[in-house]
Parts: sequence; C-alpha cells; structure tokens
Amino acid sequence: QVHLVQSGAEVKTPGASVKVSCKTSGYTFTGYFIHWIRQAPGQGLEWMGRINPNRGVTNSAQKFQGRVTMTRDTSINTAYMELSSLRSDDTAVYFCARADDSMVTQFWGQGTLVTVSS
Amino acid sequence: ENVLTQSPGTLSLSPGERATLSCRASQSVSSGHLAWYQQKPGQAPRLLIYGASSRATGVPDRFRGSGSGTDFTLTISRLEPEDFAVYHCQHYGNSLTFGGGTKVEIK
Repeated sequence: QVHLVQSGAEVKTPGASVKVSCKTSGYTFTGYFIHWIRQAPGQGLEWMGRINPNRGVTNSAQKFQGRVTMTRDTSINTAYMELSSLRSDDTAVYFCARADDSMVTQFWGQGTLVTVSS
Repeated sequence: ENVLTQSPGTLSLSPGERATLSCRASQSVSSGHLAWYQQKPGQAPRLLIYGASSRATGVPDRFRGSGSGTDFTLTISRLEPEDFAVYHCQHYGNSLTFGGGTKVEIK
C-alpha cells in the first residue's frame, strides 16, 4: 500500500527555519508529484508547492516563493519541505500529499505540527 | 488563481438527514478537476470524490458529487454518525486550490 510518513512536531523561534520530511513507500517514488499543503489552527487548507521527484523540479505558490525550498532524496524515497524566516503565522500542520496520474491528491501524510513561538 | 467558495460554512443536521454542500469556483474548473475531501479533527483529509463525480476507493455510495463548470455539489444522502466532519473542495492540477470548508455538525 502507499504510505507517506512525516517527521515529528517541531517548535521554532521566529526567524528560524524548519525542515519537514515525508518518507514514502509502496510505490515508485519518482513516478508521482508530491505536494505540500498546510493548515493553520482552525483554518482551511493552503497549497504551498509541489516537487517532481524524478527531476527535482519544483513549483511553489507565489505567497511562499523565496521562503520555501522543496527537495527530495531518491535513494530513500523521501521528500523534504524547508520553510525559512518563520513567523508566528506559520504555525500550522504541514501535510505532504501524493498526486495520482489524474493529478488528484489521494494519499496524504499524517501531518507535522510546526509551532513558531518566542 | 481560481477561488473556491464553499457554502454554507456550517451545516447543522441530524443523523439520517440529507446534506447538500456547495462549492463555487470563480473560473471554470478545467477537465472537471474538482475533488471533495472529508477531514476529522487531528486527521489528514480523506479523498471522497474526484473528477467532480467519481467516488474514491472505499467511499460509501451515500456520498455523491455532481456539477460542472463553476458550480459543484457534494450530497450525503443519509448522514451516518461518522459523517460529521469538515468537508473541503479542491481544484487540482499543476497547483491546488481549496475552498474554505463546510463543517457538518450534529444538530
């Protein structure tokens, strides 16, 4: 079965960076895009960007350009999302999700809570 | 950017009742790339409907998606206790856009 397992919760101070990992299994890692989505407490879902694990090419939402870096390590079937210059309003649960051939995101990680607080 | 507006924000219903959730897009949704997700507290979203009307694997047939262009609907024919949750619509493609969500709560 397809599984996406994310790294554990993080607490960061304003101005710091956070790197969240998304370890995948059960399919060919390089065959499907990985998206990153976040959800602030009590809020809706917000798309941050995606990575093509085959070529490492990324696209990000304009809001996060310059602050988000998405990478992957094909040797361990893992995708990463690093967000820099953290602010308190970056406090959220961050999800990775795998897109299918039809581009729908069927498989999701369990989420990683990132808390930004001084 | 295609803005998705979901209504109502909250739906208060009793088990056994019918739920009708709306998702309106600011631009036509290309190729019917509209999905619906169910999310319970502390969990990741679960895919229910894709392609506007196709049920994902394992989704009960009381869930039905319909619509095209800019207007889409998720109907839950008879609410079961486990259906009380937040529902999100999504326009998917090279990027993802989400609606603000509809909470279906027990009346």
